[in-house]
Amino acid sequence: DIQMTQSPSSMSASLGDRVTITCQASQDIGNNLIWFQQKPGKSPRPMIYYATNLANGVPSRFSGSRSGSDYSLTISSLESEDMADYHCLQYKQYPLTFGSGTKLEIK
Amino acid sequence: QVTLKESGPGILQPSQTLSLTCTFSGFSLSTYGMGVGWIRQPSGKGLEWLANIWWDDDKYYNPSLKNRLTISKDTSNNQAFLKITNVDTADTATYYCARIWELVDYWGQGVMVTVSS
Repeated sequence: DIQMTQSPSSMSASLGDRVTITCQASQDIGNNLIWFQQKPGKSPRPMIYYATNLANGVPSRFSGSRSGSDYSLTISSLESEDMADYHCLQYKQYPLTFGSGTKLEIK
Repeated sequence: QVTLKESGPGILQPSQTLSLTCTFSGFSLSTYGMGVGWIRQPSGKGLEWLANIWWDDDKYYNPSLKNRLTISKDTSNNQAFLKITNVDTADTATYYCARIWELVDYWGQGVMVTVSS
């Protein structure tokens, strides 16, 4: 199975900060990765697909990037509505596997 | 407008079979390339992909649940189903269904399932 090691597990940042969350893949997944945002009591919402593409309706302060086996989600200027859990999902190979999640809190 | 909604028993006892239904609208599971997946999330924990079914009836199951899963669909009634046999407390979670159309784009609101004696 492909392991997705997500970090950090939680973080606290101030409004306006630049925030980066990372998933490291244990095997090559190409760019077959989705980032999801999940707010309390809600279902996940896709934010970035194919590692770097912004999903429909997602604010432009969100971006995705790749460096080797490391995939990153970056929020360029944190807003209060960004407080949520973030998950990565690799869909290169079965079984599809998620990262362990990052809880993002606002200071 | 794409919507999905999960339904299930709410509470069941260990060793019973969990039957979940995903009723969707706004797309058809007979469309080439379309799929529906099931994902679960224990309270306060991460997401786990369970199974998915494709427009051509191809199916995938997460090996971690061995032979306990059965996924199926009723294309005419826009429904997908998941059965999990021999449940125990570790199966307590919120269960989601989601559309797969190039990416996993639309999710249902989730249904909470508790396994308790």
